[in-house]
Amino acid sequence: AQRVTQPEKLLSVFKGAPVELKCNYSYSGSPELFWYVQYSRQRLQLLLRHISRESIKGFTADLNKGETSFHLKKPFAQEEDSAMYYCALSSSNTGKLIFGQGTTLQVKP
Amino acid sequence: GAVVSQHPSRVICKSGTSVKIECRSLDFQATTMFWYRQFPKQSLMLMATSNEGSKATYEQGVEKDKFLINHASLTLSTLTVTSAHPEDSSFYICSARNRAGTEAFFGQGTRLTVV
Repeated sequence: AQRVTQPEKLLSVFKGAPVELKCNYSYSGSPELFWYVQYSRQRLQLLLRHISRESIKGFTADLNKGETSFHLKKPFAQEEDSAMYYCALSSSNTGKLIFGQGTTLQVKP
Repeated sequence: GAVVSQHPSRVICKSGTSVKIECRSLDFQATTMFWYRQFPKQSLMLMATSNEGSKATYEQGVEKDKFLINHASLTLSTLTVTSAHPEDSSFYICSARNRAGTEAFFGQGTRLTVV
């Protein structure tokens, strides 16, 4: 079965501290993994995807097939990073997205 | 980037009535759109995949007669909640993939309250 698990509902850090939002998945095939972010009162938007291997707003995520993980990391958190973060998996043949439960990141001054 | 617009953003209706929610891709054509439901402080649950010119594909446990989906054109999909009950109150979100299929764009969501 396809599943995405984000074990932390809330992650609270101080500004400047490193951040790691965990994501594990189960998928029988080659997955496409994404991180989406939802800032307060805004719509869901794409943060990054594993195939592009890019860094967006200082965030990176590496797909680890051995551990079936796609953790999101940032070395120095900023207050404006406070938001809800969703890890998502895409089924390659249907294109639909399966979302994790979401993690609220709270960056304190 | 591409824009997906949902309308209305908020609706209150009486039990037993039907409510229609529109999802439009404003600057790109979307052969496939997706409808999600989000309960407070929970994740997005995929309800159905809307295919232009054909029947929608519903996820397990979603009543297709309750949640009618119509994808009449390449830029518009509608979700109609029929005979609404208070337990249908939720946040409904649509998304559309661009033609390359590389990214999904989301609407702003519709808050449905059934009283």
